[in-house]
Amino acid sequence: AQRVTQPEKLLSVFKGAPVELKCNYSYSGSPELFWYVQYSRQRLQLLLRHISRESIKGFTADLNKGETSFHLKKPFAQEEDSAMYYCALSAGTSGSRLTFGEGTQLTVNP
Amino acid sequence: EPEVTQTPSHQVTQMGQEVILRCVPISNHLYFYWYRQILGQKVEFLVSFYNNEISEKSEIFDDQFSVERPDGSNFTLKIRSTKLEDSAMYFCASRETSNSYEQYFGPGTRLTVT
Repeated sequence: AQRVTQPEKLLSVFKGAPVELKCNYSYSGSPELFWYVQYSRQRLQLLLRHISRESIKGFTADLNKGETSFHLKKPFAQEEDSAMYYCALSAGTSGSRLTFGEGTQLTVNP
Repeated sequence: EPEVTQTPSHQVTQMGQEVILRCVPISNHLYFYWYRQILGQKVEFLVSFYNNEISEKSEIFDDQFSVERPDGSNFTLKIRSTKLEDSAMYFCASRETSNSYEQYFGPGTRLTVT
């Protein structure tokens, strides 16, 4: 079974502070991990994917298979980063579903 | 940039009524999905659709639910006899090919069952 856990429903930081959104997963195979973001009144959109190992909007995430984690990090948070962030897992097979975590609402205060 | 569209944005229906939620995926995409999010809960997978048939469905997707791609552009989710617990935000998503990884989401339809 696939499962994704985001332990923090709410996270509040000040502008310029580092931010880390936690994500843990369980899956017996080799998953693909994603972070999706939903800005206020906008649709879910892909932020980044573990395989690409790229930094988007200053965010990075490293897949730690030993700890089964895929935490999202940014060294200096900006006010425009305020949004709902969802960690998601795919089994990686063709057409497979996304399993989402509960989401973390990030608020970056001025 | 092409986007997934969904109509209506908000649907109110009475318990026991049938509803059809409509989605127009991105035109060259081959894989289609429905997800739902009950207020305060996580986004949950309902069904995936490829090559004019269901490729995977969750335990939520029971006989009350059906999907269809009637005309090569629309992708619909039908709930035959709505229950109060079907009240949720329903998201459609599409993906280009088996080699692509990103699912593109629509803005959602808020279904309220009274």
